[in-house]
Amino acid sequence: DQQVKQNSPSLSVQEGRISILNCDYTNSMFDYFLWYKKYPAEGPTFLISISSIKDKNEDGRFTVFLNKSAKHLSLHIVPSQPGDSAVYFCAASARGTYKYIFGTGTRLKVLA
Amino acid sequence: GAVVSQHPSRVICKSGTSVKIECRSLDFQATTMFWYRQFPKQSLMLMATSNEGSKATYEQGVEKDKFLINHASLTLSTLTVTSAHPEDSSFYICSARPGTGTSDTQYFGPGTRLTVL
Repeated sequence: DQQVKQNSPSLSVQEGRISILNCDYTNSMFDYFLWYKKYPAEGPTFLISISSIKDKNEDGRFTVFLNKSAKHLSLHIVPSQPGDSAVYFCAASARGTYKYIFGTGTRLKVLA
Repeated sequence: GAVVSQHPSRVICKSGTSVKIECRSLDFQATTMFWYRQFPKQSLMLMATSNEGSKATYEQGVEKDKFLINHASLTLSTLTVTSAHPEDSSFYICSARPGTGTSDTQYFGPGTRLTVL
């Protein structure tokens, strides 16, 4: 049972445009969400997180939106840069468990 | 800050041998460390949660006698794959959660590629 889903395995975006990566979850106990960026044969790099008490968190070019009623979150990258090309994973956690459940990842390719 | 290292980065071993992977938090103390496994083109799957000074908690389906975890200090956790077989070949990644504050953020190591021949 996949509790965290990223339904788009890949996404291509032109440089300078907005990249929108989506993530859906099923477990209503999740209250902390994160996005990680990962290159092949490397560990994930933390990008941005959001607590369930918020619906938006912004950090530079990265913004995460959370829609609790829809159990959906999204990562917006604007403007997209070629260096953003990587696999992006969303992760969810129920506060206090400190355990992450990862989505299946979306491969983003930013075209120059 | 929040750097996590893993050693070795790659290891090739013969079937039946044991392999130890180290995970270190370099600039913070980690009361909790986590071990994940990633198969090609799949997600990261949590294997176990390791707390300093206590026994690790394993996820369902993970054999604790096969994947031995030792969290001997606040900066070091080790994963030993005992009697490795080809199906254990995978990318193993650790993460560490800082012991201070209430943040749930985990910081990941660079991973270890294990190939069992």
